[in-house]
Amino acid sequence: AQSVTQPDIHITVSEGASLELRCNYSYGATPYLFWYVQSPGQGLQLLLKYFSGDTLVQGIKGFEAEFKRSQSSFNLRKPSVHWSDAAEYFCAVGGGTYKYIFGTGTRLKVLA
Amino acid sequence: DAEITQSPRHKITETGRQVTLACHQTWNHNNMFWYRQDLGHGLRLIHYSYGVQDTNKGEVSDGYSVSRSNTEDLPLTLESAASSQTSVYFCATQGQGAGELFFGEGSRLTVL
Repeated sequence: AQSVTQPDIHITVSEGASLELRCNYSYGATPYLFWYVQSPGQGLQLLLKYFSGDTLVQGIKGFEAEFKRSQSSFNLRKPSVHWSDAAEYFCAVGGGTYKYIFGTGTRLKVLA
Repeated sequence: DAEITQSPRHKITETGRQVTLACHQTWNHNNMFWYRQDLGHGLRLIHYSYGVQDTNKGEVSDGYSVSRSNTEDLPLTLESAASSQTSVYFCATQGQGAGELFFGEGSRLTVL
């Protein structure tokens, strides 16, 4: 069965510290992978996506993610977190059927 | 700029009433989706459409219906609202080629 797991419900980091949000997936074929960010009261905004090619993908706002097929992972990283990065982050996986499955989200808190 | 407009943004209704949430897009995308977002569940797919007159059930479709009479609109109807349908509802669209989803700002529904 297709699934996405985000094992960390909440993460707290200090401003300026590095960040890694974990995402593991189960999918029967080569997946399309996405990270979205949601600010309070807002819809979801795409941070980055992986379809094929280079397994390290760059996104907006200084985020990057690495696709590791052997580990079925697509972790999101940022070298230095800003207070404005506080939000909820969702990993999603999909494929040719166009239907995507979302993880349960990781809420990021940034300490000044 | 192209956009997705959801209305109403907030609604309170009573158990048993029929409720319709509107979604209007100016992206001219064929694929449209309705998700609900609940704490601990992330986003779950309710219904989706790949074009005019096409509708399909998602993983949590019971108690919901959609219709697609044109490209721009995919209204979501709760035939007889239940307290379990209290949630935040997001409409999303998708362009050709299994690309990213674009989200509206959400409709918060409370069923008393």
